[in-house]
Amino acid sequence: NAGVTQTPKFQVLKTGQSMTLQCAQDMNHEYMSWYRQDPGMGLRLIHYSVGAGITDQGEVPNGYNVSRSTTEDFPLRLLSAAPSQTSVYFCASRPWEGGTGELFFGEGSRLTVL
Amino acid sequence: DQQVKQNSPSLSVQEGRISILNCDYTNSMFDYFLWYKKYPAEGPTFLISISSIKDKNEDGRFTVFLNKSAKHLSLHIVPSQPGDSAVYFCAASTGANSKLTFGKGITLSVRP
Repeated sequence: NAGVTQTPKFQVLKTGQSMTLQCAQDMNHEYMSWYRQDPGMGLRLIHYSVGAGITDQGEVPNGYNVSRSTTEDFPLRLLSAAPSQTSVYFCASRPWEGGTGELFFGEGSRLTVL
Repeated sequence: DQQVKQNSPSLSVQEGRISILNCDYTNSMFDYFLWYKKYPAEGPTFLISISSIKDKNEDGRFTVFLNKSAKHLSLHIVPSQPGDSAVYFCAASTGANSKLTFGKGITLSVRP
């Protein structure tokens, strides 16, 4: 059981470049989300989705786009990377209804923007 | 405005003793609380949760206490073990199926 899989694990970008962080889950979870973790800031919600075709903004959505075409995948796109987007990114999922509310996290993707 | 606060950035405890990790919240609509544990280079993993209808939940060495009037919760680890050394995040939501708001985390070090 793979759970939540994120790729790539590490990425270095130059300012202005674009890239997509991939997230896939094999637990048939309706809810998927992206967080960023920065020193002294904890985990902050970027975007989330409660099902295919439905996305919404979290606390810090600026500079990021998401889409949800399937239940399994929830990619995070940086259209024009900025140094302020240097961070560790975590994708997380859970059932939308029922369960304990527990989020299942991926291992993270460390992004550096020069 | 930070809605979930973990005001102590770090805690150091001797092995075998009790670790008490504190968390405060400001949003009175929060009614579901969770603790996550995170090792370096790994994703956070769920540890224990509590809903506002309870004031205590216990799972092995881990117990979470909720004081709704004070908007305060705490995680007790007894006895503490070196493998408990990690970052602990407190999180809250308005219901078990709502988005989670996390605190900044606290780094626990358990000394052998």
